[in-house]
Amino acid sequence: GAGVSQSPSNKVTEKGKDVELRCDPISGHTALYWYRQSLGQGLEFLIYFQGNSAPDKSGLPSDRFSAERTGGSVSTLTIQRTQQEDSAVYLCASSLSQGRLGTEAFFGQGTRLTVV
Amino acid sequence: AQTVTQSQPEMSVQEAETVTLSCTYDTSENNYYLFWYKQPPSRQMILVIRQEAYKQQNATENRFSVNFQKAAKSFSLKISDSQLGDTAMYFCAFTLDNNDMRFGAGTRLTVKP
Repeated sequence: GAGVSQSPSNKVTEKGKDVELRCDPISGHTALYWYRQSLGQGLEFLIYFQGNSAPDKSGLPSDRFSAERTGGSVSTLTIQRTQQEDSAVYLCASSLSQGRLGTEAFFGQGTRLTVV
Repeated sequence: AQTVTQSQPEMSVQEAETVTLSCTYDTSENNYYLFWYKQPPSRQMILVIRQEAYKQQNATENRFSVNFQKAAKSFSLKISDSQLGDTAMYFCAFTLDNNDMRFGAGTRLTVKP
């Protein structure tokens, strides 16, 4: 596609349920990021995938959070046993790794997750 | 680990005036890249401007320019002739060659008519 696509755009779930958020990056982009943005707040880094390397999971806030990237393309962020504090906008971004050039990250429009 | 700090949670400016948003970062690396992103109410993040650390000349994009002070690890964004459409959250970001990108907490800018 032309840009980064995230689905669903909005998700309301009951506390304790599991949710899956999907990110479809720009074709050919090897780097993929997940960020969390709480209401009116900054971007909290969650996880980063780069090609076939092991992902950088250092930002995942708890073991209820996990992410995978299948075939170097689509990524799924899973939150198990959701809590109200998980309510936020989850943003995905991708970029074309070009070694020393340091390229722009392109963002999806995010998934707004509301845990009730 | 690299950190990015934006010390101004909120700022406002009158239409047509100039405003400067601050950003500092911490790294032991010498080659890296800095970005300013804009997030309007639509939530869509948009790249405003990019600076490569090995370039001494400050980047400029129309009404947007940066003041890059490498020794001070400072990367401020100047918006000239502010327009109502500039109202948004602005994020400073840092990345090394491996493209691991980290963001500051953001500055909410309001342009007043």
